Amino acid sequence: NAGVMQNPRHLVRRRGQEARLRCSPMKGHSHVYWYRQLPEEGLKFMVYLQKENIIDESGMPKERFSAEFPKEGPSILRIQQVVRGDSAAYFCASSRLRTDYSNQPQHFGDGTRLSIL
Amino acid sequence: GQQVMQIPQYQHVQEGEDFTTYCNSSTTLSNIQWYKQRPGGHPVFLIQLVKSGEVKKQKRLTFQFGEAKKNSSLHITATQTTDVGTYFCAGRRAGGGADGLTFGKGTHLIIQP
Repeated sequence: NAGVMQNPRHLVRRRGQEARLRCSPMKGHSHVYWYRQLPEEGLKFMVYLQKENIIDESGMPKERFSAEFPKEGPSILRIQQVVRGDSAAYFCASSRLRTDYSNQPQHFGDGTRLSIL
Repeated sequence: GQQVMQIPQYQHVQEGEDFTTYCNSSTTLSNIQWYKQRPGGHPVFLIQLVKSGEVKKQKRLTFQFGEAKKNSSLHITATQTTDVGTYFCAGRRAGGGADGLTFGKGTHLIIQP
């Protein structure tokens, strides 16, 4: 079984450009979570999505960041007009059921390392 | 908002020594999960604790959930070089709320042969 697939593994952007990070959840998983990790830090929750719906975006900056999980295709985390402070590793996780109700573990992808020049 | 604190941030041990990391939440948790992340890797789920006072073992690893469901610990007996990595606890606030986990900053385990 394929795990959570994230691409690209590494992404370099110049300030002001857009960054698009993709995440395909594990087969049979319909719940996707995005986290950001700074060096030597823990993971910070950004957004939780179910197919075609944003369930919780309380951890996502109000400006420049957006996320979607369309009916077909991967989940996309989009960062517009990137700044140096956006440099981080972005991890996607998926679960089969809603973890709040079912205490399901989350399965993580390998992450996208975003570097802003 | 909910905060999850982990100590120590770094722990150096000689191979064969024991290791413990502690996790404390500012709020009561519905459950706590532990993850391990190798350098350059992604977090890998280790275990979940749900019940007050719960203790679970995985070979040399022992996980505990406090009676008040606000703290937890991970203890590794007789560490091996394969145990190197960062150990994160992650909790979800009791009573619902955000579905995302709140992670501690992790404890980096460094093992000297």
